[in-house]
Amino acid sequence: QSVLTQPPSVSAAPSQKVTISCSGSSSNIGDHYVSWYQQLPGTAPKLLIYDDNKRYSGIPDRFSGSKSGTSATLAITGLQTGDEADYYCGVWDHSLSAEVFGGGTKLTVL
Amino acid sequence: QVHLVQSGAEVKKPGASVKVSCKASGYIFTRYYIQWVRQAPGQGLEWIGWINPDSGDTKFAQKFQGRVTMTSDTSINTAYVELSSLRSDDTAVYYCTRSSPLDSWGQGTLVNVSS
Repeated sequence: QSVLTQPPSVSAAPSQKVTISCSGSSSNIGDHYVSWYQQLPGTAPKLLIYDDNKRYSGIPDRFSGSKSGTSATLAITGLQTGDEADYYCGVWDHSLSAEVFGGGTKLTVL
Repeated sequence: QVHLVQSGAEVKKPGASVKVSCKASGYIFTRYYIQWVRQAPGQGLEWIGWINPDSGDTKFAQKFQGRVTMTSDTSINTAYVELSSLRSDDTAVYYCTRSSPLDSWGQGTLVNVSS
């Protein structure tokens, strides 16, 4: 059971937009910066978004992050088949004194 | 550019220990923490802890307390994680990552615990 809650899967057609939610609490998302990671099959995670909404170097502007209260959202526009991957949110939790991750969301581009 | 290169796959028996290395290049090793994260087969990411290579300070997730050791050798820009009293549910890919944020990741090291 993950501390952060993500939907197990989302899907959309190529060129469409999809959003992935990440729900937490006041001890993590509510008080600390959120990051988002993309994990392609068989590879290590890759940083997409940090500090809630900053795109990491080389990440296209099709990817964006936002946060409101104790929830964060990753949006991907102009979906491509190459975006099919698992996506994870991550944040520090000061009650647990630990970095915590969501359970991951599998994106399927139909 | 930043590179983190990890040691190769390991097969261990229950009760044994494993030590995974992570060699950093492309940046000043002592300026960034190294964090360790693992991923069991088909599962999500699980944080193990971090080490400050400059001071040697460490912090671990509670579930690993007493079973994990993290060290670093600044002369060769390498960080290590050692997990003892291995169990079958420790079977996972172990990643090192530079922080913060977790912007560069090693390729992962599969640790297979099996009798």
